Amino acid sequence: NAGVTQTPKFRVLKTGQSMTLLCAQDMNHEYMYWYRQDPGMGLRLIHYSVGEGTTAKGEVPDGYNVSRLKKQNFLLGLESAAPSQTSVYFCASNDPGGRLSYEQYFGPGTRLTVT
Amino acid sequence: LAKTTQPISMDSYEGQEVNITCSHNNIATNDYITWYQQFPSQGPRFIIQGYKTKVTNEVASLFIPADRKSSTLSLPRVSLSDTAVYYCLVGDSSNYQLIWGAGTKLIIKP
Repeated sequence: NAGVTQTPKFRVLKTGQSMTLLCAQDMNHEYMYWYRQDPGMGLRLIHYSVGEGTTAKGEVPDGYNVSRLKKQNFLLGLESAAPSQTSVYFCASNDPGGRLSYEQYFGPGTRLTVT
Repeated sequence: LAKTTQPISMDSYEGQEVNITCSHNNIATNDYITWYQQFPSQGPRFIIQGYKTKVTNEVASLFIPADRKSSTLSLPRVSLSDTAVYYCLVGDSSNYQLIWGAGTKLIIKP
């Protein structure tokens, strides 16, 4: 099992450019998440999905869009990148179970720099 | 809204027991309290989770009082490889959002 993989690992964008980050998981998990982590800070939830075809906003959704067309994939899009979106982006997945479990499996991260 | 508070940093020595406490209010009634470990340039890694009282696994223990307004991660006999940032994670009772602590940077000295 590869677990959670993220593509690309690094990317540099100019202000105003667009890009899509891809997250894939092979654990058949229902829930998937996109986080950002700024230097020296904790994680902040951008968007999440509780199943194929569903998405919901997290704590910091502005400037991002997501899609979950297939259960194993969760895409994060930046339509017009801004320097404030310079960060490390992590994808995670899990199956919460009856009592809500937050045991999530994380990918290795994508380091994005917007100049 | 739920809020979490953790110490910014802690130091300890190899072989010691380390306790890291996270204070959290207004958390979701039915959710677990979860702790993660993160090394530089890596994604967070699950350590342990619990609902109430005490939970123990092969790497840590988690103590949760009855009011669930705090939780304490206990790492027994730490080694240099336990140097990392530790995060608590809870659910908000009002909007079911995930609330991560700001993290505690633990430095283990020889």
